[in-house]
Amino acid sequence: SQQGEEDPQALSIQEGENATMNCSYKTSINNLQWYRQNSGRGLVHLILIRSNEREKHSGRLRVTLDTSKKSSSLLITASRAADTASYFCATVRMDSNYQLIWGAGTKLIIKP
Amino acid sequence: GAGVSQTPSNKVTEKGKYVELRCDPISGHTALYWYRQSLGQGPEFLIYFQGTGAADDSGLPNDRFFAVRPEGSVSTLKIQRTERGDSAVYLCASSPSTDTQYFGPGTRLTVL
Repeated sequence: SQQGEEDPQALSIQEGENATMNCSYKTSINNLQWYRQNSGRGLVHLILIRSNEREKHSGRLRVTLDTSKKSSSLLITASRAADTASYFCATVRMDSNYQLIWGAGTKLIIKP
Repeated sequence: GAGVSQTPSNKVTEKGKYVELRCDPISGHTALYWYRQSLGQGPEFLIYFQGTGAADDSGLPNDRFFAVRPEGSVSTLKIQRTERGDSAVYLCASSPSTDTQYFGPGTRLTVL
């Protein structure tokens, strides 16, 4: 079963603009992770944020976590055509230290 | 170093046949995971190995699915009497602990 829900389902922006994707989940979590997937194949880990963290940065990526609202956001600044991909959030529940529960993803298209 | 590899990259089989999908994790990673991903969906957890033993096989959909990891490294996912509904991308991931999971490119299984 899927726990996370990303929105929007699809996002199309111009190169150079910022892209924001949101994720909501249902149960208490240990951590939340964002992954990128190109062409329906290999998933690449982007960033992990723990339940006691509120914000994390990695290069052009900024992730926030609001455990009271059970939601997270992924911001990609100064988008590039190469950022075109599907982005997934995945949560690790408090009662499980390994099982990733995934949302359906946001399909991001960066127009050159 | 080498990442997670999966073979074959594509597998086409007929309904009712038996298939084996192989995963070579990153050397030294004790945790290994199998997921299944249908088009337009996030990955769905199947099974988790810690070393040689299946620590959690609760995601296997039915008894036609079985996975082994006899020496704590390579894993094989076995599907008996395949059905058209088994068509999906089967993803393998490995991890040195229980945080970040490193994914292989997946095996696209098509059951005709």
